[in-house]
Amino acid sequence: EAGVAQSPRYKIIEKRQSVAFWCNPISGHATLYWYQQILGQGPKLLIQFQNNGVVDDSQLPKDRFSAERLKGVDSTLKIQPAKLEDSAVYLCASSPRAWETQYFGPGTRLLVL
Amino acid sequence: EDKVVQSPLSLVVHEGDTVTLNCSYEVTNFRSLLWYKQEKKAPTFLFMLTSSGIEKKSGRLSSILDKKELFSILNITATQTGDSAIYLCAVNQGAQKLVFGQGTRLTINP
Repeated sequence: EAGVAQSPRYKIIEKRQSVAFWCNPISGHATLYWYQQILGQGPKLLIQFQNNGVVDDSQLPKDRFSAERLKGVDSTLKIQPAKLEDSAVYLCASSPRAWETQYFGPGTRLLVL
Repeated sequence: EDKVVQSPLSLVVHEGDTVTLNCSYEVTNFRSLLWYKQEKKAPTFLFMLTSSGIEKKSGRLSSILDKKELFSILNITATQTGDSAIYLCAVNQGAQKLVFGQGTRLTINP
């Protein structure tokens, strides 16, 4: 079974630029999560989708971050404009249903200069 | 504020040693506690604990939950260099909303 796919693996941008990350969950997984993991900290949930609907985006900085999962399969997370403090690893995870174990992708490491 | 606290933050031991990692939590809703191993970037699932006092085992790894005292421990016996990783503890607050601790960085020296 293929795992969660993410791209790109690394991204370096300057502050105030825009960036987008892509995630393809495990086939058939209805629930998709985006996490932000700052160096030395545990992952922090940004947004949770159930199919193409948002379940929880309470910790998403909506002034600069946006995410969508239009067809209920893959998802994109965008930052516009980026700030220095956005430097982190962005992890995508999926689970068959909301109450089941999450499986994580390899993440995208973002460096904002 | 919901929080999950892990200790120690960093641990260096020799191959063959036994280690115990700690996780304490204060959350408004508790459904389960999970342990993940993070090598490089992607956390991989180790255990899910829902009931107090029932030990979960997988090879040299074991974990137990105390819902009265609000903590869990992860034990690794006969450690190997491949056990070197960050170990993350997370509390599931329902619908798999996970609150993670900051992790314990474990280094196993040969």
